[in-house]
Amino acid sequence: DTEVTQTPKHLVMGMTNKKSLKCEQHMGHRAMYWYKQKAKKPPELMFVYSYEKLSINESVPSRFSPECPNSSLLNLHLHALQPEDSALYLCASSQDLWGAAGYTFGSGTRLTVV
Amino acid sequence: SQQGEEDPQALSIQEGENATMNCSYKTSINNLQWYRQNSGRGLVHLILIRSNEREKHSGRLRVTLDTSKKSSSLLITASRAADTASYFCATIYNQGGKLIFGQGTELSVKP
Repeated sequence: DTEVTQTPKHLVMGMTNKKSLKCEQHMGHRAMYWYKQKAKKPPELMFVYSYEKLSINESVPSRFSPECPNSSLLNLHLHALQPEDSALYLCASSQDLWGAAGYTFGSGTRLTVV
Repeated sequence: SQQGEEDPQALSIQEGENATMNCSYKTSINNLQWYRQNSGRGLVHLILIRSNEREKHSGRLRVTLDTSKKSSSLLITASRAADTASYFCATIYNQGGKLIFGQGTELSVKP
């Protein structure tokens, strides 16, 4: 299995809702990432997990809460989001933090906050 | 910002022509990677070049790295309509895990 699987593919949520994005990989990668991408912009790093521990938080607002239950799963819990949080959320994984073999990205969750 | 610059921002060519995209970065790097993204989907890793390498090939792709100029280029030879996508360079600077993307080049290959 050489894929990163993200669910759901699309999500519409209200500003008072709580929802979660899920990401799964079975490549034995020990580093996992969340990126946010707005239209016509590059992906922006949000969080990095290494060996299931949070390694980097790029000053992301607390309404985004990551969780790594085990080495194959990565969640992003969403609460009280704003319309400007609407974006494509990408999950990625790599063998290690230096990405010597590159990063594998999922196809993303397109989030719309109404 | 640590993000590098890419040029051109957009490139339109005919099928069969070569496409060259350039990337510049700001500080010393561990490696530089190139990714392709088709219309709002996930990114696909194309090629990685280490800081001690100068050139690398993979199929129709050729990547060069000039650490003295802090720049890299991606050449796609004999382009096809299916190469139409956004191309991003990405670098890991001095902190493992911090893969930072350039602004990207939008490539359009016309049949």
